[in-house]
Amino acid sequence: AQTVTQSQPEMSVQEAETVTLSCTYDTSESDYYLFWYKQPPSRQMILVIRQEAYKQQNATENRFSVNFQKAAKSFSLKISDSQLGDAAMYFCAYFEYSNYQLIWGAGTKLIIKP
Amino acid sequence: GAGVSQSPSNKVTEKGKDVELRCDPISGHTALYWYRQRLGQGLEFLIYFQGNSAPDKSGLPSDRFSAERTGESVSTLTIQRTQQEDSAVYLCASSEDRGNSPLHFGNGTRLTVT
Repeated sequence: AQTVTQSQPEMSVQEAETVTLSCTYDTSESDYYLFWYKQPPSRQMILVIRQEAYKQQNATENRFSVNFQKAAKSFSLKISDSQLGDAAMYFCAYFEYSNYQLIWGAGTKLIIKP
Repeated sequence: GAGVSQSPSNKVTEKGKDVELRCDPISGHTALYWYRQRLGQGLEFLIYFQGNSAPDKSGLPSDRFSAERTGESVSTLTIQRTQQEDSAVYLCASSEDRGNSPLHFGNGTRLTVT
């Protein structure tokens, strides 16, 4: 079965600095999507960024970018110029076409130090 | 436009009682998902609806759990004879289709079974 692993239960970073959250996944598929979602204390999950597996170029959304290493099955999220509002749980998710399921990692709690 | 709306926001119930949770998806979204999120954990898939197709119930943990959706409108998740282990946040999400479209989440219902 496909799995998504987030090996860092918690990370902390100083405000304005850069932090990288790791995510690895296991799959035999060649075409799939990867997502990072953010869940602040309000509980609402918010899409941060999305990566298509067949695109070699790393996705970027303002201060958020990914390092997608397809061969290594790695999909890390880099947050630049960290802000207090970035404090949240971050979940990595993998979408596969074979059964149209979205597989979720266990999450990483990001703490921003002022 | 309006996002995904869930009600109630919080629900406290006694063990053995039935509860009904409601989800109003974004208008026009054909896909609707229910997830369970236990404290400090990731998302656990429960059930998926796509238009008028038969729902994917593969994630429902027991026959005490059921869900309904009429067409592409409101969905209700019902838990019968609640147990303390059912305590969790129940998240609803909708998307434009069952493919790789990003999910839009509601704020969830926090269920506490005493």
